[in-house]
Amino acid sequence: EADIYQTPRYLVIGTGKKITLECSQTMGHDKMYWYQQDPGMELHLIHYSYGVNSTEKGDLSSESTVSRIRTEHFPLTLESARPSHTSQYLCASSEPAGAGGTEAFFGQGTRLTVV
Amino acid sequence: KNQVEQSPQSLIILEGKNCTLQCNYTVSPFSNLRWYKQDTGRGPVSLTIMTFSENTKSNGRYTATLDADTKQSSLHITASQLSDSASYICVVSDRGSTLGRLYFGRGTQLTVWP
Repeated sequence: EADIYQTPRYLVIGTGKKITLECSQTMGHDKMYWYQQDPGMELHLIHYSYGVNSTEKGDLSSESTVSRIRTEHFPLTLESARPSHTSQYLCASSEPAGAGGTEAFFGQGTRLTVV
Repeated sequence: KNQVEQSPQSLIILEGKNCTLQCNYTVSPFSNLRWYKQDTGRGPVSLTIMTFSENTKSNGRYTATLDADTKQSSLHITASQLSDSASYICVVSDRGSTLGRLYFGRGTQLTVWP
C-alpha cells in the first residue's frame, strides 16, 4: 500500500473561503502531482513539482496554488473558493522513471464541495 | 496529440461472469501502460504494468494484454466478484520527458451485480 496521504477526505465550505488541501508522502519521492477529477471524467493534471522549491502548472488551468517547501509535503491552496471548484482532488507522487517507466502512487483524494 | 481512449464507457455484468475492457492509445514515444482500479471516492491503485516488449501480464483474476504495433491494450477480468465494481483506468506513460508524463483514459465504469 502506498504511503501517500491526503486530508481532509471530504470538505464542504462556503463561497469565498480560503482552503488548503494537504498531501504528504513518506516514500521520499521527488515528483509530486495534483490532479482534478470530475465524476465519470478523466484525471486532469493541475500542478506538479520536481522537488523542493519546484512547482509548475499542469494542463488544466486552475486558480489554485501549490508550494513545495519539504520533499514530503505538497499542499494545494484555494484563496477564494467558488462553486466551480467543486470536484475531487487527487495527489500523487512518483518514483524515478526507469526501465519500467513511471508509476504514480495516489492518495485517497479530497472531495471538495463549495456551496 | 497524445490520447488514451477506453471502451466501453460503462459495463454491467453478473457476478461470476468474465469481461474485457479495451484501451487504445496514441502516446508516443511509448514507455509503458498501466491499468488502475479506482473505487468510488478513492485514489487509483495500480493493477498491472506492461512495457513495450510484453504481450500479456496477469495479476490474479486480472489479465492485461498489449499490442504495441496497433497500440491497443485489454484488461480481462475472470470470474467477476462484487468487489470488482469500480472504474478501471488505462494510463500510458511516455518516454520522452523527464516528467515521465502520464496520459489517462476516462475509465470504464464496471458494475457487478449479484
